[in-house]
Parts: sequence; structure tokens; C-alpha cells
Amino acid sequence: GAGVSQSPSNKVTEKGKDVELRCDPISGHTALYWYRQSLGQGLEFLIYFQGNSAPDKSGLPSDRFSAERTGGSVSTLTIQRTQQEDSAVYLCASSPSYTLRNEKLFFGSGTQLSVL
Amino acid sequence: AQSVTQLDSHVSVSEGTPVLLRCNYSSSYSPSLFWYVQHPNKGLQLLLKYTSAATLVKGINGFEAEFKKSETSFHLTKPSAHMSDAAEYFCVVTDLVTGTASKLTFGTGTRLQVTL
Repeated sequence: GAGVSQSPSNKVTEKGKDVELRCDPISGHTALYWYRQSLGQGLEFLIYFQGNSAPDKSGLPSDRFSAERTGGSVSTLTIQRTQQEDSAVYLCASSPSYTLRNEKLFFGSGTQLSVL
Repeated sequence: AQSVTQLDSHVSVSEGTPVLLRCNYSSSYSPSLFWYVQHPNKGLQLLLKYTSAATLVKGINGFEAEFKKSETSFHLTKPSAHMSDAAEYFCVVTDLVTGTASKLTFGTGTRLQVTL
């Protein structure tokens, strides 16, 4: 069984451009998370999807950031008008259910975004 | 509100000596606590988790952690370090109220270096 897959693994873009980051969760996992890991920082929560419920967007840093999850599977994180401070590793994780108390997150290898 | 503090950003030990990675947490409810490990160029992997059962938790690769409520700590230990343990380690806390969506709060990470 494949794990969580993220693409691209590396993305270099110019300031002001839009980027799309993709996440393929493990098949059957209902919960999907996006985190951002900046150099020397812990993981910063961005957004959470659970089944057909409205996503928890409380971690998105600005309205330039958005995410969608189509058909309860693949998710795309979009960053518009990228800024240099957006440079980070963007991590996607999935989980079999919405309750984390007895579950664990399965992480992808991340997308390293560099904004020049 | 929840938070987690990893007291050391970098720890260096000799191979064969004990490992201690410190973590303190703050949580409004009864927390679940996790340790994740991130090897270079690999995704985050769950080492172990505490979910209100036994306070001494054993994980993979010989690691264990003890939940001490009085000290609000969840330190990670291993009796004898191996070169393959060199990685970044993240302490994670979640406040989960049953039935609601939740998110993990990650510490800033501790980089473990193992020398010969």
C-alpha cells in the first residue's frame, strides 16, 4: 500500500506567482491535514479536512492561502501571489478517522517551496 | 489552548550512551502526547503515543517516554543511542474533546546528533 504522496517534491517560484501543491492521502483515510515547516520552526497547522464536513481553516496565515479536497481524496493547497516568507516545507498528513486520540498521522515527504 | 516546548534544539550524544530529549506541554484538557521522528529526506514517523493509558509508553526502535502530569512533561529516552537514531524529533500535543475535530500542536523540534 502506498503512503501519503506529495507533489512536487521541490518547487522554486518567483515572488508574486501562484503555486499549487498536491497531496494524495492514503486510500480510505478520511482526515487530511496540511502543515507548514519553516526552517528552525515546529510544524504550523494550516488546514484540516474531515470527510464531507466543512474544513477547519483556522491555521491559514492569510487569504492568499486556500485548499480544497476533491471527492474526499486528493487535496490541493494553493498559494497566490507568493511571498518570500512563504518559503517552507509543506507537509500533508492523513489519518483513518477524525479522532486523534488513538490514531496516528501518516505524513508525506513534503514539498519544499522556495520563493525567490 | 495547548502548547508544547522542547527545551533543547540540539542534542549530541555518543553512540551507546543514553538519550534524553525533553518536552514540556500545556493543555486545557487531558492531553494526548506523541513523539514523531523525521529522518533526513523522509516523512515524519510516529515513534510513540500517550493516550491516558499507561504513563510509561514504549515505542519503536527502543525509545520510550514517561507522562508526568505533575511536571507536565513527556521526555523521550533511549538507553543506548545508535547512529541510525540521528534525526529531528518532535514532541506533539493534542487536546481532544470527543466528537470534535482536532489538530496537533508540534514543538519546534530537537535535532539529535550521534557521534562515534
